[in-house]
Amino acid sequence: DGGITQSPKYLFRKEGQNVTLSCEQNLNHDAMYWYRQDPGQGLRLIYYSQIVNDFQKGDIAEGYSVSREKKESFPLTVTSAQKNPTAFYLCASSKIWAGETQYFGPGTRLLVL
Amino acid sequence: GESVGLHLPTLSVQEGDNSIINCAYSNSASDYFIWYKQESGKGPQFIIDIRSNMDKRQGQRVTVLLNKTVKHLSLQIAATQPGDSAVYFCAENNAGANSKLTFGKGITLSVRP
Repeated sequence: DGGITQSPKYLFRKEGQNVTLSCEQNLNHDAMYWYRQDPGQGLRLIYYSQIVNDFQKGDIAEGYSVSREKKESFPLTVTSAQKNPTAFYLCASSKIWAGETQYFGPGTRLLVL
Repeated sequence: GESVGLHLPTLSVQEGDNSIINCAYSNSASDYFIWYKQESGKGPQFIIDIRSNMDKRQGQRVTVLLNKTVKHLSLQIAATQPGDSAVYFCAENNAGANSKLTFGKGITLSVRP
């Protein structure tokens, strides 16, 4: 059963804490993405990776970090520098970079305690 | 059916009627367009896509129309069902070295029984 999985479904962060959101895909896609979704707003790109061992900042990368050590995995760390982390985080992948459909995971909702 | 632009947040239709959701895009160089459906608390789900060399594409109960002259994209849903209730948003892609998908803010489709 192919697809994109994200975990956990809900995540709580304390002040000053770094948290990591998991994203795994078994679609053999080269490109992966992280988006942030806030109520009433469109998806905003945090980071993207065109290929394994490479990643680029998106439009709102400050306070976030990523790694792409394996083709299947693209974890996102929300650092303590991100002052407004409460949001719905979506991971996506596409077969190749550019001009291809992006398929999304189920999302992780991050809440601040 | 009813037609409404993405600047309005909600479209309400009667079950069984046709729905038309419109999207205006700004980048004349965009060459690939996607419609997504997002149910509450879930990740966006791919509905249908169209490339700029086409004017119309049909899927199961859905049709996407592209008018490049006025930079307008529409999604038509035939015989709208309660399960169609969700947020719908369009995305455009400008293929190139730094191409990224740009997402609209979305419109809520509410189906009245």
